[in-house]
Amino acid sequence: KAGVTQTPRYLIKTRGQQVTLSCSPISGHRSVSWYQQTPGQGLQFLFEYFSETQRNKGNFPGRFSGRQFSNSRSEMNVSTLELGDSALYLCASSFIFRGDKAYEQYFGPGTRLTVT
Amino acid sequence: GDSVTQMEGPVTLSEEAFLTINCTYTATGYPSLFWYVQYPGEGLQLLLKATKADDKGSNKGFEATYRKETTSFHLEKGSVQVSDSAVYFCALRQNSGNTPLVFGKGTRLSVIA
Repeated sequence: KAGVTQTPRYLIKTRGQQVTLSCSPISGHRSVSWYQQTPGQGLQFLFEYFSETQRNKGNFPGRFSGRQFSNSRSEMNVSTLELGDSALYLCASSFIFRGDKAYEQYFGPGTRLTVT
Repeated sequence: GDSVTQMEGPVTLSEEAFLTINCTYTATGYPSLFWYVQYPGEGLQLLLKATKADDKGSNKGFEATYRKETTSFHLEKGSVQVSDSAVYFCALRQNSGNTPLVFGKGTRLSVIA
């Protein structure tokens, strides 16, 4: 079974630009979550999508947005990039029903975003 | 809100040494607890989990027991290998199914031959 895939793996952008990151979840997983990882702040939750609806949102400014498509693939967008947005962006997918695999999240390799 | 506290690293051990990485949590109710591992240049991999008090999660020689009375979920391995060098994250998730993982800051482990 293929794991979570994220594209692109690396990105270099300039301040003020915008960027779109893509995530394809494990087949059958309908929930997709996004996290930001930085050396200073660690792993912070951005948002979660299920059935094309945002179910939960972390404490990030409105420049960070996302969406989910009918095939469960998800994208996140960051507009007006700032230097502090440089980070590893991780996508995770999971089942949403109860059972042994409930509440487990499986992560992709991440997209390394560098803002100059 | 919920939080996870891990011992600060880095931790440096010789091959075949015993490993303990401490993790304590603050949370309402009875969350599920997880250990994730991140190898250089990669995403997070689920290492083990426990979903209720006194459960023991285990995988690849690693173990952790959900201790409700001490709100702890310490990671242990009896004999580490160089290939275990990575960053280890303790995390919790409330069992409502609609909440995110809450992570500790991670502990970097280096194992030397």
